[in-house]
Amino acid sequence: EAGVVQSPRYKIIEKKQPVAFWCNPISGHNTLYWYRQNLGQGPELLIRYENEEAVDDSQLPKDRFSAERLKGVDSTLKIQPAELGDSAVYLCASSPRTGVGYGYTFGSGTRLTVV
Amino acid sequence: AQSVTQPDIHITVSEGASLELRCNYSYGATPYLFWYVQSPGQGLQLLLKYFSGDTLVQGIKGFEAEFKRSQSSFNLRKPSVHWSDAAEYFCAVGAPNTNAGKSTFGDGTTLTVKP
Repeated sequence: EAGVVQSPRYKIIEKKQPVAFWCNPISGHNTLYWYRQNLGQGPELLIRYENEEAVDDSQLPKDRFSAERLKGVDSTLKIQPAELGDSAVYLCASSPRTGVGYGYTFGSGTRLTVV
Repeated sequence: AQSVTQPDIHITVSEGASLELRCNYSYGATPYLFWYVQSPGQGLQLLLKYFSGDTLVQGIKGFEAEFKRSQSSFNLRKPSVHWSDAAEYFCAVGAPNTNAGKSTFGDGTTLTVKP
């Protein structure tokens, strides 16, 4: 079975430009997470989806970040405009359903560098 | 609120030596506890998890962890380290609530293995 697929793997953009990340979760996984991992830190949750519904986006900076999960499968995370402080690794993870007991499967992440 | 502390930012051990990575958590009750490993440029891979029952849990790649409620700790151990174990290790805590899919991660411990 294919794992969680993310693209692109790397992205370098100038500040104030827009950027988008894509995630394809494991087939049949209803719950999808976007995490941000700053250098030298652990991942921090940005948003959690149950199917196509965003059920926890309290940590998402909504002035510049947006996300969608159309049809409850693939998801896109967008930043517009990007700031220098957005440089980080953006990780997507999925699980069969909500609840930490089900465990996450992480993708390889997208490393964003804003210059 | 739940939190995780990994006191050691960086640990170096010789190949074949034993390993212990420390993790302390803060949570009002017994949480779900996890250890993940992240190799350079990769996403996080689950090593093991503790939900309840036997406080010594076995994971993949020869790792084990012991839950000690009195010390609010969940330390990761391996009797004999291999060069391929060099990576970053993250401890995570989650609320045992089916409506809460969020895990909180520590800032990680980087393991270097000397030949």
